[in-house]
Amino acid sequence: AQKITQTQPGMFVQEKEAVTLDCTYDTSDPSYGLFWYKQPSSGEMIFLIYQGSYDQQNATEGRYSLNFQKARKSANLVISASQLGDSAMYFCAMREGDFNKFYFGSGTKLNVKP
Amino acid sequence: GAGVSQSPRYKVAKRGQDVALRCDPISGHVSLFWYQQALGQGPEFLTYFQNEAQLDKSGLPSDRFFAERPEGSVSTLKIQRTQQEDSAVYLCASSFTGANYGYTFGSGTRLTVV
Repeated sequence: AQKITQTQPGMFVQEKEAVTLDCTYDTSDPSYGLFWYKQPSSGEMIFLIYQGSYDQQNATEGRYSLNFQKARKSANLVISASQLGDSAMYFCAMREGDFNKFYFGSGTKLNVKP
Repeated sequence: GAGVSQSPRYKVAKRGQDVALRCDPISGHVSLFWYQQALGQGPEFLTYFQNEAQLDKSGLPSDRFFAERPEGSVSTLKIQRTQQEDSAVYLCASSFTGANYGYTFGSGTRLTVV
């Protein structure tokens, strides 16, 4: 089974609007971490936001917030007030327990329209 | 330097050739990871070092792949007798121990086997 599933290969959003990128995960480990990364065309993976499985509050970092629904095993990324520079690939990732390796989803390509 | 540096940025190899990809992590980062990212896919874990010790190499696809980090800083990923299916972007990442706030990734090496 896929550890991380991103069902939206591509998304369009109008500049200044909000957009939600979907991510569901699969794990039986009670301790895990969820991450979102941005990958622009230059190729570098840029860390955006982190949510721990025991965190009570949804994580927020500036214009990024993570809508964490533990029972549904979903960790959607919300980008508010989209900017042209947000156009990129976005990857959801998970780390289980004490293991250091990440499992990545297949990504969502976001295009922000002016 | 301030970030994770990878070289070369691009590499074209003839099938059957050996290649060596270099990663300079952020100074002081104990953990170092290699990932393989095929076109249009998310990164997939290859191997993990803590200092000079290779603690997990479960993602290396075959015995043609070999990684080392002899002094606990710079790491080299070597691929022997390259094949076309090895064509991908190879990403290196580093972190302090306990990657709750994510790794710092390099820009990757794009390997094309012809």
